[in-house]
Amino acid sequence: EPEVTQTPSHQVTQMGQEVILRCVPISNHLYFYWYRQILGQKVEFLVSFYNNEISEKSEIFDDQFSVERPDGSNFTLKIRSTKLEDSAMYFCASLRDRAPGWNSPLHFGNGTRLTVT
Amino acid sequence: QKEVEQNSGPLSVPEGAIASLNCTYSDRGSQSFFWYRQYSGKSPELIMFIYSNGDKEDGRFTAQLNKASQYVSLLIRDSQPSDSATYLCAVNLDSGGYQKVTFGTGTKLQVIP
Repeated sequence: EPEVTQTPSHQVTQMGQEVILRCVPISNHLYFYWYRQILGQKVEFLVSFYNNEISEKSEIFDDQFSVERPDGSNFTLKIRSTKLEDSAMYFCASLRDRAPGWNSPLHFGNGTRLTVT
Repeated sequence: QKEVEQNSGPLSVPEGAIASLNCTYSDRGSQSFFWYRQYSGKSPELIMFIYSNGDKEDGRFTAQLNKASQYVSLLIRDSQPSDSATYLCAVNLDSGGYQKVTFGTGTKLQVIP
């Protein structure tokens, strides 16, 4: 079964550094998402991406964050200047093409654990 | 504010019992509802989805939806220790042509052998 793959599985960075988290969504999917989960807390929506542009973003997704689909397969999340509170698990997810009833569920990657020191 | 609410638990049930997990949502425009299971340190794994009022059964799992009450639940029959995990309720909303999935805080389930 096709999978969403994320790299790296664990990223450690120093405060103020830039990080790029990478995702390869399932090939025939059209909607892409980033979520994050701070340890012990809920899965929080960051941003959705469709047709090569952001379709929606949360209040968490401020100017320090950006997303890109540079080559038609990868989907990246960049944090320009990391803060301690950015430490979390970041999940990429994708959704297949809209079907009648469009009840297609999100497929999650295994996540990248980001630790900011 | 659009929210999905769950009791954080922990919900403890003995092995072999029925576990009942509940979720309410605030946006009446919500159209699809999902239950994900998340083991500690792992990504959410889809176990059920439902979009019509009533019950949907899949093996030991039954999802129940009541749109009038804005309530969705998950029943796990014959609970096993391996079912011990956090169960996330998720609600899908068609937001102007884009799909947005919002998660609840999750209910931690402990199945006691």
